[in-house]
Amino acid sequence: QQQVKQSPQSLIVQKGGIPIINCAYENTAFDYFPWYQQFPGKGPALLIAIRPDVSEKKEGRFTISFNKSAKQFSLHIMDSQPGDSATYFCAASTDGNQFYFGTGTSLTVIP
Amino acid sequence: DTGVSQDPRHKITKRGQNVTFRCDPISEHNRLYWYRQTLGQGPEFLTYFQNEAQLEKSRLLSDRFSAERPKGSFSTLEIQRTEQGDSAMYLCASSAPGQGINTEAFFGQGTRLTVV
Repeated sequence: QQQVKQSPQSLIVQKGGIPIINCAYENTAFDYFPWYQQFPGKGPALLIAIRPDVSEKKEGRFTISFNKSAKQFSLHIMDSQPGDSATYFCAASTDGNQFYFGTGTSLTVIP
Repeated sequence: DTGVSQDPRHKITKRGQNVTFRCDPISEHNRLYWYRQTLGQGPEFLTYFQNEAQLEKSRLLSDRFSAERPKGSFSTLEIQRTEQGDSAMYLCASSAPGQGINTEAFFGQGTRLTVV
């Protein structure tokens, strides 16, 4: 059973666009929600993370929106660049125990 | 380099052979995780350690898999009698829960295993 459901599977945007990737979860015990960026052949790199006591967090061009009642969270990438082309994973955990990952979104930013 | 280090980066082995991977976590990170990732999928949890104690193991971790963290620092993951289905990227991550606002887990570059 997939603990974290991620969509879309792939996404293509023009440079400067704002891709949005969505994730949903069921387990209300989750208290930490990170997003990772992964390039081919590399390990996932932590981008930004949020806890459920806030509804939004911004770091640079990356923003997480969190809706606790809907059990959904999303990643927005402002002013996207070709260098942002990668696979993005959402994840969730409780107390930093095992992390449950989404299935990933392959993002392509066209110059 | 103060990140998570994994060795080797690539391993090709024949079916039936044993392989061992090593992970060196970020210094002073007391939590260490092992994940497996196949092409086009997200990382799947295998096991994690708090210091030298193995706290949780996934059902994915069959009896052919064993992980150790003897001194609470580096960890090894051994796969015995490898099968073609074991071909994957094996990822290690570390974190220091309770030592910051967030429970950030940082990943290494992974070990790509190919079983032929």
